[in-house]
Amino acid sequence: GENVEQHPSTLSVQEGDSAVIKCTYSDSASNYFPWYKQELGKRPQLIIDIRSNVGEKKDQRIAVTLNKTAKHFSLHITETQPEDSAVYFCAASRGTDKLIFGTGTRLQVFP
Amino acid sequence: GAGVSQSPRYKVAKRGQDVALRCDPISGHVSLFWYQQALGQGPEFLTYFQNEAQLDKSGLPSDRFFAERPEGSVSTLKIQRTQQEDSAVYLCASRRWGVDTEAFFGQGTRLTVV
Repeated sequence: GENVEQHPSTLSVQEGDSAVIKCTYSDSASNYFPWYKQELGKRPQLIIDIRSNVGEKKDQRIAVTLNKTAKHFSLHITETQPEDSAVYFCAASRGTDKLIFGTGTRLQVFP
Repeated sequence: GAGVSQSPRYKVAKRGQDVALRCDPISGHVSLFWYQQALGQGPEFLTYFQNEAQLDKSGLPSDRFFAERPEGSVSTLKIQRTQQEDSAVYLCASRRWGVDTEAFFGQGTRLTVV
């Protein structure tokens, strides 16, 4: 069945450094790839998404890249801040179908 | 409404008890999804509705799990004869109609089976 793998499971960085989280997906028909941030005890919230007809998208300190051939997509956070500390999930879906989530990356940003 | 609303926020059930979890999606959102999130894990898909039609229930772990959305708005996830392994956060999400639209999540219901 459909599967999304996510690495690393934990990531610790110094404030101001960059963080990169990588995901691979199995369903070649997937065409929508969102990233969610989840703080402890709270709901997942969308931080950025990318569609299959785009290779890269940037929003201030956050960027996402997509390689459809390799079925890889990555989240890049630059100039990290302590408030970026949370669990990040990648996901993939086709059209309006269900989102398949990765297992999450716990990001810790140390001041 | 302002967002996806779920109730109750917390539920403690004795093993063998039946529970019902409610989801109020954003008004006008056609698609509704239920996910199960175990501690430290990503959300796992349970079931999907488009309006009142249940299009995919492939993620429901057993026949003890049942979901409905009779009028295409509010949805209820029912778990019969709860087991300890059912303990998790149950998340509901809704999306408006259209390809590649954002899924908005509710706060979730934390179910603890004792």
